[in-house]
Amino acid sequence: EAGVAQSPRYKIIEKRQSVAFWCNPISGHATLYWYQQILGQGPKLLIQFQNNGVVDDSQLPKDRFSAERLKGVDSTLKIQPAKLEDSAVYLCASSSGTPYSNQPQHFGDGTRLSIL
Amino acid sequence: QKEVEQNSGPLSVPEGAIASLNCTYSDRGSQSFFWYRQYSGKSPELIMFIYSNGDKEDGRFTAQLNKASQYVSLLIRDSQPSDSATYLCAVTSGSRLTFGEGTQLTVNP
Repeated sequence: EAGVAQSPRYKIIEKRQSVAFWCNPISGHATLYWYQQILGQGPKLLIQFQNNGVVDDSQLPKDRFSAERLKGVDSTLKIQPAKLEDSAVYLCASSSGTPYSNQPQHFGDGTRLSIL
Repeated sequence: QKEVEQNSGPLSVPEGAIASLNCTYSDRGSQSFFWYRQYSGKSPELIMFIYSNGDKEDGRFTAQLNKASQYVSLLIRDSQPSDSATYLCAVTSGSRLTFGEGTQLTVNP
């Protein structure tokens, strides 16, 4: 079974620029998550989708972050404009079942973002 | 109070010893509890999950859950140098999975 795919693996941009990350979940997984992991901390949920609908985006800084999962499969996360504090690893995860079924989440390799 | 707290590390144990990792959580309604292992520069990897009070064993790993005390732990028996990593405790609250900050474990040969 193929795992969660993410791209790019690394990205370096200057502050105020924009950036986008892509994620393809494990086949058949309806629920998809984006996390931000700052060095030395645990992952923090940014947004959660079930199919193409948003379940929880309460921790997404909506003035600069946006995400979509238009066809209920792959997803993109965008930051515009980037700030220095956005330097982190952005992790995508997916799980089977509904968000409230609390099935284990499986993570992709992440995108390491550095803001100069 | 943090939603999920883990014992501060780093934790260092000799090879062959038992490593004990602890986690407490604040939401009494939490239903599912996970332990992830994260090697430096890598993504979190699921190693154990537990839903009911008591112990759950999988190979050298044992997860223990006490909902009354809002406490979950992970024991690693016969620790190996390859177990050296950061261990993340994660707890569900509703649909959200909340992670602790992790405990860094080093197993010394």
